Amino acid sequence: ILNVEQSPQSLHVQEGDSTNFTCSFPSSNFYALHWYRWETAKSPEALFVMTLNGDEKKKGRISATLNTKEGYSYLYIKGSQPEDSATYLCAGSFNAGNMLTFGGGTRLMVKP
Amino acid sequence: KAGVTQTPRYLIKTRGQQVTLSCSPISGHRSVSWYQQTPGQGLQFLFEYFSETQRNKGNFPGRFSGRQFSNSRSEMNVSTLELGDSALYLCASSLTGQGAGEQYFGPGTRLTVT
Repeated sequence: ILNVEQSPQSLHVQEGDSTNFTCSFPSSNFYALHWYRWETAKSPEALFVMTLNGDEKKKGRISATLNTKEGYSYLYIKGSQPEDSATYLCAGSFNAGNMLTFGGGTRLMVKP
Repeated sequence: KAGVTQTPRYLIKTRGQQVTLSCSPISGHRSVSWYQQTPGQGLQFLFEYFSETQRNKGNFPGRFSGRQFSNSRSEMNVSTLELGDSALYLCASSLTGQGAGEQYFGPGTRLTVT
């Protein structure tokens, strides 16, 4: 059984704060690590897909890093805004297909 | 470019009945995956189809089945519904059949079993 775990489960921050979440995954048979943002009543939105150890990706105020040797990824949000409030999911791919194993998510709430 | 569409969006069924859900992927995408989301279990993989072939299957009973048509549209079927099948069912499409490709999710079908 593959376990992808995320911490913390939830996070409350003030507008303007920077924050980060952790995703840990088994490093054996690793193929790719996906990050998604899921807002209430919407579809999960793809943020990043990372495959190589040391990968760093950035989209606006959001960035992510990947360490495949130790099995973790960090997602950073700089200067959080209320519109960043959502559940952030990471998912691992451990074979060449599109089967994703999801973590439980981190629910972020940004207060104005 | 139209996104992933799922029909119906909401469904209420009675225990013991069967249900069919539909997913239309983004044009040109050949891979369709299905996921179940419940409050207690989070998002769990059901199965993946690529070019009409099932490539991966999650740990679900045989009551859950699916198929993919030549136009890449996919359906999933749940027979003999149980109360525990109440969930949000999401499908995702991808251009490639490899795990490193972006997957695009539809809005989901909310199934309630009474």
